[in-house]
Amino acid sequence: QQQVKQSPQSLIVQKGGISIINCAYENTAFDYFPWYQQFPGKGPALLIAIRPDVSEKKEGRFTISFNKSAKQFSLHIMDSQPGDSATYFCAVKHFGNEKLTFGTGTRLTIIP
Amino acid sequence: EAGVAQSPRYKIIEKRQSVAFWCNPISGHATLYWYQQILGQGPKLLIQFQNNGVVDDSQLPKDRFSAERLKGVDSTLKIQPAKLEDSAVYLCASRALTNEQFFGPGTRLTVL
Repeated sequence: QQQVKQSPQSLIVQKGGISIINCAYENTAFDYFPWYQQFPGKGPALLIAIRPDVSEKKEGRFTISFNKSAKQFSLHIMDSQPGDSATYFCAVKHFGNEKLTFGTGTRLTIIP
Repeated sequence: EAGVAQSPRYKIIEKRQSVAFWCNPISGHATLYWYQQILGQGPKLLIQFQNNGVVDDSQLPKDRFSAERLKGVDSTLKIQPAKLEDSAVYLCASRALTNEQFFGPGTRLTVL
């Protein structure tokens, strides 16, 4: 049962552009929505996260937009840089426990 | 603060052999997770410990996989016997009181 659908699978963006990655989830029993960044050979690292009581959260160049009614949330990377080239995973935390379910990942490549 | 340590980083075995992975979480983190990350996919939770007790092992293939965290600190994950489809990166993560999970670099397992 796929609870989190992530798109696109891969994304190429020019340096300075905006990168947008989307996730959709299938039920409402989640209470925390993080984005993780993973570089080759490394484990995922938390990038930014949001709770369902807010519609947007911004940290530097990274913004999460959250649409509770549509059951969707997205990651926006402003002024994308080559160092942002990595795989990004959205995840959802199940209400009442500490379990995370991850999306399938988006490989982001920033070209000069 | 030292991160989550895992060893070995790489392991190649023949099918039907056994293998064990070791994880040392961040000091003081009571919750420990083992994930399986198949190439091109997001991490999938195998087992979650709270101190030395199992919280969730619903997705652990118990006929071949086992895990323990005897003293509530280090943990080992074992596969016996291994199958070709067990080829993946095995990630360990730990968590303190917040929702953020901190991941180790993973162990890349290749089953031939």
